[in-house]
Amino acid sequence: KQEVTQIPAALSVPEGENLVLNCSFTDSAIYNLQWFRQDPGKGLTSLLLIQSSQREQTSGRLNASLDKSSGRSTLYIAASQPGDSATYLCAVQKSQGGSEKLVFGKGTKLTVNP
Amino acid sequence: DTGVSQDPRHKITKRGQNVTFRCDPISEHNRLYWYRQTLGQGPEFLTYFQNEAQLEKSRLLSDRFSAERPKGSFSTLEIQRTEQGDSAMYLCASSLWGRSSGANVLTFGAGSRLTVL
Repeated sequence: KQEVTQIPAALSVPEGENLVLNCSFTDSAIYNLQWFRQDPGKGLTSLLLIQSSQREQTSGRLNASLDKSSGRSTLYIAASQPGDSATYLCAVQKSQGGSEKLVFGKGTKLTVNP
Repeated sequence: DTGVSQDPRHKITKRGQNVTFRCDPISEHNRLYWYRQTLGQGPEFLTYFQNEAQLEKSRLLSDRFSAERPKGSFSTLEIQRTEQGDSAMYLCASSLWGRSSGANVLTFGAGSRLTVL
């Protein structure tokens, strides 16, 4: 059974700091890995998707890396801003042809202080 | 295109009552997913449709839960004889899946929060 763990559960940083969020998964047979952002009481917004054949994806100040063999992904946020405050969720999808479901971690709650 | 719409946003009901949630996906999306999220947890998969066909159901979807997607457009999720343990946020997502559409990126709605008293 695939399990996804995110560390830390919560993180508080001053504005401008660079930070790294961690995600690990137990079954390396994944099709892709996605990072989502969730604001309080809201749905999820997809940030980055990394296919299993890729090592990283970048979007603006965000960079996500994937090491499938070790079951790890990181989300790097550069020059953090108060607007980045949210819960960040990591999710993996099993290999193509298997289940279509995403398995999520519990998330990391990020607070960026002005 | 206004994204994925869910209705109602919040439902409070008494134990034993039936509730129904509706999801309107992005119009050109052929896949529709339902997830459930409890406080402090990540979303958990319930079921998904491709067009009108329900292709996968989680074991979380007990016989009190039923989901439909008639005509492959909007979807409903009904919970019969609600229990306090059903209290959660019910999230709907849609995607455009196909060999030429690239990665299957899900767009989520804002969710329907259920509180069972």
